[in-house]
Amino acid sequence: DSGVTQTPKHLITATGQRVTLRCSPRSGDLSVYWYQQSLDQGLQFLIQYYNGEERAKGNILERFSAQQFPDLHSELNLSSLELGDSALYFCASSPTGGFHYGYTFGSGTRLTVV
Amino acid sequence: AQTVTQSQPEMSVQEAETVTLSCTYDTSESDYYLFWYKQPPSRQMILVIRQEAYKQQNATENRFSVNFQKAAKSFSLKISDSQLGDAAMYFCAYNNDMRFGAGTRLTVKP
Repeated sequence: DSGVTQTPKHLITATGQRVTLRCSPRSGDLSVYWYQQSLDQGLQFLIQYYNGEERAKGNILERFSAQQFPDLHSELNLSSLELGDSALYFCASSPTGGFHYGYTFGSGTRLTVV
Repeated sequence: AQTVTQSQPEMSVQEAETVTLSCTYDTSESDYYLFWYKQPPSRQMILVIRQEAYKQQNATENRFSVNFQKAAKSFSLKISDSQLGDAAMYFCAYNNDMRFGAGTRLTVKP
């Protein structure tokens, strides 16, 4: 157990729907990062939150949004889902705003859009 | 844009042998960190090793070591005495823009 908790582990939904992925960072970590990994692909950085504020944005679609709450957990909202959104979505956390010491990753949420 | 390039999509090594995975990166920064992550079939991302750019000494973690060439912007991972459990995808990462390489799939042959 890495200490980063992601729920749900698996999600199957239909095109056009909206889903919410949840992440609880490791205790004491202030930053949360979201990544998307399509089948047999690398990790695409989506967005970072640090202590409740958006810190950095990557290749995140306008249909996707995220937030970090006062208790530091984060949610990634994916709407108007398309087949191409099927992927493994990782959350990672780090103690500070930078990842000098590396991330701690959760086990991911596998999203299947049918 | 900063980039991280892993030029070897797949590599294979015999058990107990040594293998080196390549990574190059592009940056104009002088202070940064580089990482290698392992992703076994379970898909969990596991930090293997970390290198601070301002340190001349190459990082080592047991059977894993890096060859960090700052001027060449090269950061290769050497796995010694390869074990079957080393079979995985390996990703190189650069911290300043949270960017990962495309990965190298390592197969270990018994």
